[in-house]
Amino acid sequence: DAKTTQPTSMDCAEGRAANLPCNHSTISGNEYVYWYRQIHSQGPQYIIHGLKNNETNEMASLIITEDRKSSTLILPHATLRDTAVYYCIVNNYGQNFVFGPGTRLSVLP
Amino acid sequence: EADIYQTPRYLVIGTGKKITLECSQTMGHDKMYWYQQDPGMELHLIHYSYGVNSTEKGDLSSESTVSRIRTEHFPLTLESARPSHTSQYLCASTQGGGNEKLFFGSGTQLSVL
Repeated sequence: DAKTTQPTSMDCAEGRAANLPCNHSTISGNEYVYWYRQIHSQGPQYIIHGLKNNETNEMASLIITEDRKSSTLILPHATLRDTAVYYCIVNNYGQNFVFGPGTRLSVLP
Repeated sequence: EADIYQTPRYLVIGTGKKITLECSQTMGHDKMYWYQQDPGMELHLIHYSYGVNSTEKGDLSSESTVSRIRTEHFPLTLESARPSHTSQYLCASTQGGGNEKLFFGSGTQLSVL
């Protein structure tokens, strides 16, 4: 079973920041937080991952709380092409990825 | 970025036919996976492999089988297709060894009539 809880759906206005929350209260000390997204029926695409520090790359920022029980994925300037299902997954070395239902983000014009 | 390829992209086939879905990656990844996904639903892991001659069943029971004779190739076979096998099949790979970033193929949309 997925070890994370995410809202079923969210809306965001184009050009605004999209903040997608994820709860992972049972995360263990050596588990990473990964974010993927799936646009329409394509294969999921890796976005970002982190352990305890905040991370930023060209796609997004990942903010992990100090107790590591929750995190937020931030898309700083959402575009229509960011409309997708976003998956938050906790994973450790050697484990298989378990995808939950994710959050369906709709970016509105 | 992702060098993982699935063929065919779409397949419509009659009941009882044997089919093989192809998946190849050129990244030298040891770990490969097959996920099954119905429209609007979650991805479910049906098979995985940690290297040549290694295959394991995933969390979701599947009538399909897989083989891993070469590192780069991880085909999935259905001996006798049925309408209940209609779904999207997604192949993925990762290097592992601490870097668990998954790369996915574009998927095969299978329709069994």
